Amino acid sequence: DQQVKQNSPSLSVQEGRISILNCDYTNSMFDYFLWYKKYPAEGPTFLISISSIKDKNEDGRFTVFLNKSAKHLSLHIVPSQPGDSAVYFCAASVSSFGNEKLTFGTGTRLTIIP
Amino acid sequence: GAGVSQSPSNKVTEKGKDVELRCDPISGHTALYWYRQSLGQGLEFLIYFQGNSAPDKSGLPSDRFSAERTGGSVSTLTIQRTQQEDSAVYLCASSLWAAGGNTIYFGEGSWLTVV
Repeated sequence: DQQVKQNSPSLSVQEGRISILNCDYTNSMFDYFLWYKKYPAEGPTFLISISSIKDKNEDGRFTVFLNKSAKHLSLHIVPSQPGDSAVYFCAASVSSFGNEKLTFGTGTRLTIIP
Repeated sequence: GAGVSQSPSNKVTEKGKDVELRCDPISGHTALYWYRQSLGQGLEFLIYFQGNSAPDKSGLPSDRFSAERTGGSVSTLTIQRTQQEDSAVYLCASSLWAAGGNTIYFGEGSWLTVV
């Protein structure tokens, strides 16, 4: 049972345009969400997170939006740069002791076209 | 250290052999996690440690897999009698404490190939 879903395995975006990566979840207990970025042959690196008490969190070119009623979150990157080409993983957790693990989606490979 | 350190970075082993993968977490981080990523798959949770104890081993795929952590620091993931389906990148991560709502930081992974 895939509790965190990234339905687009790949996405290509022109440099300078906006990249939008989507993520859906099924577990209504999830209340903390993260995006990780992964280059080939490297471990995932933390990008941005959002708590369920918010619907938006922004950090530079990266903004994460959370729609709790739809159980959907998205990552916006604007403007997109060639260095943003990577695999992006959405992850979710429950903010309480005893629920420490992150549940990851299967990832979306983003390619920025120069 | 500055980041999560894993060794070996690459390991090729024959089917049926045992392998040990090591993880050195970020200094001061009390929680340590093991994930793996098989080809074309997402990150699969294996086990996590809070200090030296492992409250959640639910992700270990079989009894051939075990992990331990000593001194609240270094952890070793052991795979006995390796099978080809064990081929994956094994990722270790750590965080300040084991609680949801906390960011975890990954190492670069140990790439295991079973031939």
